[in-house]
Amino acid sequence: QVQLVESGGGVVQPGKSLRLSCAASGFTFRSFHMHWVRQAPGKGLEWVAIIWYDGVNKYYADSVKGRFTISRDNSKNTLYLQMDSLGAEDTAVYYCARNDYGDYWGQGTLVTVSS
Amino acid sequence: QSALTQPRSVSGSPGQSVTISCTGTSSAYNYVSWYQQHPGEAPKLIIYNVNKRPSGVPDRFSGSNSGNTASLTISGLQAEDEADYYCCSYSGSLAFGGGTKLTVL
Repeated sequence: QVQLVESGGGVVQPGKSLRLSCAASGFTFRSFHMHWVRQAPGKGLEWVAIIWYDGVNKYYADSVKGRFTISRDNSKNTLYLQMDSLGAEDTAVYYCARNDYGDYWGQGTLVTVSS
Repeated sequence: QSALTQPRSVSGSPGQSVTISCTGTSSAYNYVSWYQQHPGEAPKLIIYNVNKRPSGVPDRFSGSNSGNTASLTISGLQAEDEADYYCCSYSGSLAFGGGTKLTVL
């Protein structure tokens, strides 16, 4: 069955960096676009970034453009999110989601930006 | 993509029907989806392409789109339907509504 497992979250100081991973299994990873979506504590869902199936095209929300980088390794069935210059506003649970419309989601990984 | 607007909360009694609206979908064509999220859990897709249900989603859940407003209707309300519901338009990026808390009285 389709499984998406995020990892890499934790507590990080403002201005620092963190890299999230999303390990995919149960489907042909290289055939699907993938998203990162985040949810601040007690808030709604916010789209972060998308990467096309082949890794060529990448698009970002204005709130993270220039600070976050989405990438993927289709040989390892893994999606990544490199997050630089983190601020308190980036504190959230980060989810990876499959396909244009997010048909499967991981369980999320919590990122807390705090000094 | 433009912001989508949902009511902050709706409620209904077991067995009744409720409809959650999502305004701002006029440019979304048929690319509208809905997610259910229980506390502490990941969102779960319940409707895509306006009115398609993924395998395993009960037919009590249905979607529609008219003009600038998409709607999610849940018929035969059950206690386990109490959750947050998010609409979304997708065309490259994902644009989410603010979410609606459904309370089953």
